[in-house]
Amino acid sequence: DIVMTQTPLSLSVTPGQPASISCKSSQSLLHSDGKTYLYWYLQKPGQSPQLLIYEVSKRLSGVPDRFSGSGSGTDFTLKIRRVEAEDVGVYYCMQSIQLPLTFGGGTKVDIK
Amino acid sequence: QVQLVESGGGVVQPGRSLRLSCAVSGFTFSSYGIHWVRQAPGKGLEWVAVISYDGSNKYYADSVKGRFTISRDNSKNMVYLQMNSLGAEDTAVYYCAKNLWQWLVSDGLDIWGQGTMVTVSS
Repeated sequence: DIVMTQTPLSLSVTPGQPASISCKSSQSLLHSDGKTYLYWYLQKPGQSPQLLIYEVSKRLSGVPDRFSGSGSGTDFTLKIRRVEAEDVGVYYCMQSIQLPLTFGGGTKVDIK
Repeated sequence: QVQLVESGGGVVQPGRSLRLSCAVSGFTFSSYGIHWVRQAPGKGLEWVAVISYDGSNKYYADSVKGRFTISRDNSKNMVYLQMNSLGAEDTAVYYCAKNLWQWLVSDGLDIWGQGTMVTVSS
């Protein structure tokens, strides 16, 4: 199974300041089709996870452009350009290059 | 709009069975693979199972293989998770979620249901 490792475990951010979350996979997520199967989710308190970013850097329709994803191979980063109060929750990375789908352990983001 | 609604959760004794349902609407159900993902209280996300768009391919996490069975009825826009020999380690919120793209089995999950809680306790 591919192991997904997220850091940090938690992050306390002042509104308007940037935030960055790292995700590392135990194997390359680059497929022979040229796509890299890395996703970012946000689970707000009491809600289901919601997809923010797919294939490393593509924002789902409706996701604010303050969210951006980058990386390649086994190292990936989610950045929030200016954190807002509505961004609190737990962020997860996930890979789908092979089954089982596996998730990072999560990064809890709250507001200072 | 696209919607997935889980049902069937509850409290069940160890060793017993439970069947979860996922009712789907708002998209061409028969073109998408559907997954079950669970989340134990206070824990992270764990993938459980996937069924392909036509039901011909099914895959399971090792932790549930041989105990859980995923199925779908494309005429009713429904996905099911039959859970047998339940143990305390199966206590979790169970989410169904659809693939981002048509036809794929392993894929990102773009729409999730609200989840249904399963508690295994005597």
